[in-house]
Amino acid sequence: AAGVIQSPRHLIKEKRETATLKCYPIPRHDTVYWYQQGPGQDPQFLISFYEKMQSDKGSIPDRFSAQQFSDYHSELNMSSLELGDSALYFCASSSGRGQFFGPGTRLTVL
Amino acid sequence: QKEVEQNSGPLSVPEGAIASLNCTYSDRGSQSFFWYRQYSGKSPELIMSIYSNGDKEDGRFTAQLNKASQYVSLLIRDSQPSDSATYLCAVNPAGKTSYDKVIFGPGTSLSVIP
Repeated sequence: AAGVIQSPRHLIKEKRETATLKCYPIPRHDTVYWYQQGPGQDPQFLISFYEKMQSDKGSIPDRFSAQQFSDYHSELNMSSLELGDSALYFCASSSGRGQFFGPGTRLTVL
Repeated sequence: QKEVEQNSGPLSVPEGAIASLNCTYSDRGSQSFFWYRQYSGKSPELIMSIYSNGDKEDGRFTAQLNKASQYVSLLIRDSQPSDSATYLCAVNPAGKTSYDKVIFGPGTSLSVIP
């Protein structure tokens, strides 16, 4: 069965650089969620999209933005990266039966 | 008070025993409840969902929900070393705009000893 695809899987950036993370949801899933997970922490909700419109906003810094495109893939744009942004970033998609997570992007900010 | 609470563990059980994981939530209007399993460095994997009071069984897993007590649990029968992971309880808050939006608990670390 098709799963959520995220790219890249690993990303290394310098402080103050920008990063773009991509997410391709499971086909026919209409909702996409973005999470940030630091070491030893539970996933922290950042933002979600339903049918290409922002549906919920969590603890997403103003330096981050996201959007969902016509083909339902989503991108998380992160600017002015800080050391504290180093984390696993998960995308999940759903269609009313729970969220299904992608493998994550591990972002390291040096 | 956190919205979703779990004992952080670690919870250690011998192989073949029943592991019992507990979760409480504060939003009385919550309607949907999920259990995720997460191995270290990997993404959360949905293993159980429950929507109404009572028990729901799927293989070796049983989820139990008591909305009056705002309590949801996960039982793992015949625990195997491969069940060693962090188990995240997730609750769909009332007034959500997305049917599947959840609040995660901090997770319980389970260790199954061979």
